[in-house]
Amino acid sequence: DAGVTQSPTHLIKTRGQQVTLRCSPKSGHDTVSWYQQALGQGPQFIFQYYEEEERQRGNFPDRFSGHQFPNYSSELNVNALLLGDSALYLCASSLFAGRNTGELFFGEGSRLTVL
Amino acid sequence: GQQLNQSPQSMFIQEGEDVSMNCTSSSIFNTWLWYKQDPGEGPVLLIALYKAGELTSNGRLTAQFGTTRKDSFLNISASIPSDVGIYFCAGQEGDMRFGAGTRLTVKP
Repeated sequence: DAGVTQSPTHLIKTRGQQVTLRCSPKSGHDTVSWYQQALGQGPQFIFQYYEEEERQRGNFPDRFSGHQFPNYSSELNVNALLLGDSALYLCASSLFAGRNTGELFFGEGSRLTVL
Repeated sequence: GQQLNQSPQSMFIQEGEDVSMNCTSSSIFNTWLWYKQDPGEGPVLLIALYKAGELTSNGRLTAQFGTTRKDSFLNISASIPSDVGIYFCAGQEGDMRFGAGTRLTVKP
């Protein structure tokens, strides 16, 4: 039973570029949440997708957008990259029915470096 | 930014010692959670608390949901080297907010 898988694991971009990160949820899960974790900090909630729609959003600008596909996988897109976007981007999957239980399963993350 | 204040930021302890860490918030949460993150991996859920005053154990770990719903505590008894890592508290009220983490080092 595969857990949450993310790709790529590492990538380097330059300011102004755009990036797409991908996530496949744990088998049987229907909800994907994305988090940004800066060095030395806890994860910060970006947004959550269920039934291919954004259900909740944290305090992130519109440069951050996402998508969920019919197979529940998800993408995170960041446009016009800034140096401050350098971070570990974590994908977490869960069941929407258990969305208030905190039972999130995290992937290993995609480490983005913006130069 | 972070809404949860987690302390201490780091701890250096001897194997076999007990550990205590806590998390406070200016906001009320309906659910408190504790996660552990090892290097190069995502956080893993240790304990979830759903009711004010609740005390829950998971092996050597014990966590409590504060009665004011604005704080939580995690205790680790008889620490072992594999307890090394970063421990995060998280409060859930809709979305989930994480503390900045407590980095635990255990000396054999």
